[in-house]
Amino acid sequence: GAGVSQSPSNKVTEKGKDVELRCDPISGHTALYWYRQSLGQGLEFLIYFQGNSAPDKSGLPSDRFSAERTGGSVSTLTIQRTQQEDSAVYLCASSSLGQGAGETQYFGPGTRLLVL
Amino acid sequence: AQSVTQLDSHVSVSEGTPVLLRCNYSSSYSPSLFWYVQHPNKGLQLLLKYTSAATLVKGINGFEAEFKKSETSFHLTKPSAHMSDAAEYFCVVSGTGTYKYIFGTGTRLKVLA
Repeated sequence: GAGVSQSPSNKVTEKGKDVELRCDPISGHTALYWYRQSLGQGLEFLIYFQGNSAPDKSGLPSDRFSAERTGGSVSTLTIQRTQQEDSAVYLCASSSLGQGAGETQYFGPGTRLLVL
Repeated sequence: AQSVTQLDSHVSVSEGTPVLLRCNYSSSYSPSLFWYVQHPNKGLQLLLKYTSAATLVKGINGFEAEFKKSETSFHLTKPSAHMSDAAEYFCVVSGTGTYKYIFGTGTRLKVLA
């Protein structure tokens, strides 16, 4: 079946502009995660959605970052007033329940963001 | 707090020789541990995972890992490296509560012909 998909695959923007990154999880998966992969920080957790529960936003680096998940499926990560340090690969992952420590997360190919 | 430490940032092996990628973990309770591989410009792919069942875990493409509680280690091995194994490998521990992943810093594997 279809895996996790993300769009766009690449995004180049100017400092100060807003960007929106999209994630389509695997159909039926209730848990969705956003991670960021950057040269200086490695792979780090950003935000987690599970069903209708309040999201865990503890990994968002600043209030310029926000995310929503509509209808329990598609998610959008928004970065406002982008800065050069936001340049990174943004990875989305989903898992079937999000209720077990041993549950496998399936990753999308990522969106490579470059802020000039 | 949970964490993983990948002891080598780069490993080079010759094709056909064994691979050893080292990972140590820190956890206050029995952890769930994973190894993922990332080929250039590709997403993360699960190689194998440990979830408190058998301590020797077999994964895809001939990889395996052994959970050693006494050494707090979860090293990844493969008997014979192939050129296609060249990639970056991440050791991961699953966190509490939201089960978010906590990643190691990665080991880049180079396979020499």
